Amino acid sequence: GAVVSQHPSWVICKSGTSVKIECRSLDFQATTMFWYRQFPKQSLMLMATSNEGSKATYEQGVEKDKFLINHASLTLSTLTVTSAHPEDSSFYICSAPGQGAYSWEIDTQYFGPGTRLTVL
Amino acid sequence: AQKVTQAQTEISVVEKEDVTLDCVYETRDTTYYLFWYKQPPSGELVFLIRRNSFDEQNEISGRYSWNFQKSTSSFNFTITASQVVDSAVYFCALSENKRTSGTYKYIFGTGTRLKVLA
Repeated sequence: GAVVSQHPSWVICKSGTSVKIECRSLDFQATTMFWYRQFPKQSLMLMATSNEGSKATYEQGVEKDKFLINHASLTLSTLTVTSAHPEDSSFYICSAPGQGAYSWEIDTQYFGPGTRLTVL
Repeated sequence: AQKVTQAQTEISVVEKEDVTLDCVYETRDTTYYLFWYKQPPSGELVFLIRRNSFDEQNEISGRYSWNFQKSTSSFNFTITASQVVDSAVYFCALSENKRTSGTYKYIFGTGTRLKVLA
């Protein structure tokens, strides 16, 4: 259980275009999902917390108008990189906390396989 | 402020050697979780272990073992008899004791790249 998928796994786009990345919890519901960005040979940096039915919470320094997050259902969150530029090229990873009656279950995040974005 | 430090940027070992990856954390919280994740070249994060701050028992899982010491704020990870397939980046993470929308955020260390040579 607790499987998270992402689509697409990789995408190449031209500068100025918008790209949508989907994150799905396959066998559980996720009212919260997290979006991370990872540059080559660097750690994961939290970009935003996606909340089902409400606005996302962005980390300091992340442009909310550039990285649009929509969490329209209990199993799907989308990240849209608007007007992408080469500096947005990165590995984007989403995660969702598990479900269960115990705190350790909901306090463990399950990660998607990531989406590699290359902007030409 | 909470922080996770993985001082070893990259480690190279020869197959069958034992290797320990260090993780030192800082937090003022009394309740927290610590995690280790493996990130192979494919990029997908693989969950290895979760440790509650109240549980200081060391754990062994096959060739993997973890040493949690609250006195030194460390949560080190040892791979015994390393194999080439262990080559990956390993991240230590600390859960922030401040629930955001019902769950904790993670604070990741910078990762340790392990290369196991045949």
